[in-house]
Amino acid sequence: GENVEQHPSTLSVQEGDSAVIKCTYSDSASNYFPWYKQELGKRPQLIIDIRSNVGEKKDQRIAVTLNKTAKHFSLHITETQPEDSAVYFCAASRGGGNKLTFGTGTQLKVEL
Amino acid sequence: GAVVSQHPSRVICKSGTSVKIECRSLDFQATTMFWYRQFPKQSLMLMATSNEGSKATYEQGVEKDKFLINHASLTLSTLTVTSAHPEDSSFYICSARERGDTEAFFGQGTRLTVV
Repeated sequence: GENVEQHPSTLSVQEGDSAVIKCTYSDSASNYFPWYKQELGKRPQLIIDIRSNVGEKKDQRIAVTLNKTAKHFSLHITETQPEDSAVYFCAASRGGGNKLTFGTGTQLKVEL
Repeated sequence: GAVVSQHPSRVICKSGTSVKIECRSLDFQATTMFWYRQFPKQSLMLMATSNEGSKATYEQGVEKDKFLINHASLTLSTLTVTSAHPEDSSFYICSARERGDTEAFFGQGTRLTVV
């Protein structure tokens, strides 16, 4: 089955700096890669996703890149703000209603 | 985005009792629902996938007789934790997908504490 690895497990940045979180996956048939933000005790919220037919997607301060050959994808957050502090999860799926396999999560802390 | 409602948000029960958690898609038809378990500071671990009108598919290591899943309609799936024990205490989250759509919408989660 699919295996998703995520690094780093914790990330501390200064407000205004950029943050990068990286994930690798094992199933070459995976074609859908979402990123979720989860605050303590809350549900995961989709912040951006990318499908395998594109290499990069951007939404304001958030961007995701995908390298299908290397089977890795990354989340980039620019101009970080304290409210970006949360746990971020990457995930991979074969799409079409198939299950998501989640990474282990990254605790992002944005310090003033 | 679509709305998935999960109830209850918190429940405390005694060892040996059963607890039912509901997951509803409020504004779309969810042909597939997923149930996850999340321990503190850990990732979401898929327990089972349920498709409307058919038996759930359980992940390896998940006891199907202990975690009963029913997906009787396109808008409702339930997870029943039978004969709960303290080690079953966890955060349980459902998610739902509409047919042909890959985005998963999550419920708000249920914090189960077994005493």
